[in-house]
Amino acid sequence: EAQLVESGGGLVQPGGSLRLSCAASGFIFEEYAMHWVRQAPGKGLEWVSGITWNSGNIGYADSVKGRFTVFRDNAKNSLHLQMTSLGAADMALYYCARDRRGYYGRGGAFEIWGQGTMVTVSS
Amino acid sequence: SYELTQPPSVSVSPGQTASISCSGDKLGDKYASWYQQRPGQSPTLVIYQDKKRPSGIPERFSASNFGHTATLTITGTQPMDEADYYCQAWDSNTAGVFGGGTKLTVL
Repeated sequence: EAQLVESGGGLVQPGGSLRLSCAASGFIFEEYAMHWVRQAPGKGLEWVSGITWNSGNIGYADSVKGRFTVFRDNAKNSLHLQMTSLGAADMALYYCARDRRGYYGRGGAFEIWGQGTMVTVSS
Repeated sequence: SYELTQPPSVSVSPGQTASISCSGDKLGDKYASWYQQRPGQSPTLVIYQDKKRPSGIPERFSASNFGHTATLTITGTQPMDEADYYCQAWDSNTAGVFGGGTKLTVL
């Protein structure tokens, strides 16, 4: 069974940094594009970042561009999100999600979701 | 930036048909996906590429996408269908975009 398990969330001060990780199992990780999607408390879903199967194409939401970096390690079946200059607007539950295909964009969809890891930004 | 608009809430009686709309500029030219999120749970994909159902999604879930509006339809709505529903598409720059979500109440 395909499974995604996020980790790395926690409390961070405004302006601080945090690295999230997502461990994948039950499927051939290197065949799929991967994403980070976040959800602020009581709010809707927001796509944060996507990365193709071979890291050849990477995208970010305008709200995080220049502050967040996504990368993957296919040898270790893992996805990561390095977050810097964190602010109150970044406080959310961060989900790791697997795409239907090796690349993302038109026709793609978030097929498998993890349980999420919470990022709290507070002094 | 590209935007998708959903009604905040929809109500339906058990056994009846629920329709949830999602509007965006020329949305029909893009592919729409739909996600169900029950309280306290992670989202689940229920429709992709406008009208395809992933394995395990009941046939009562269907969808269409034409012009500027995508629509999710639940036929014979059950109490277990009560959840938040989000539409999603990709903008021209391959950035993911979600609608604001619709709370479906079955009463």
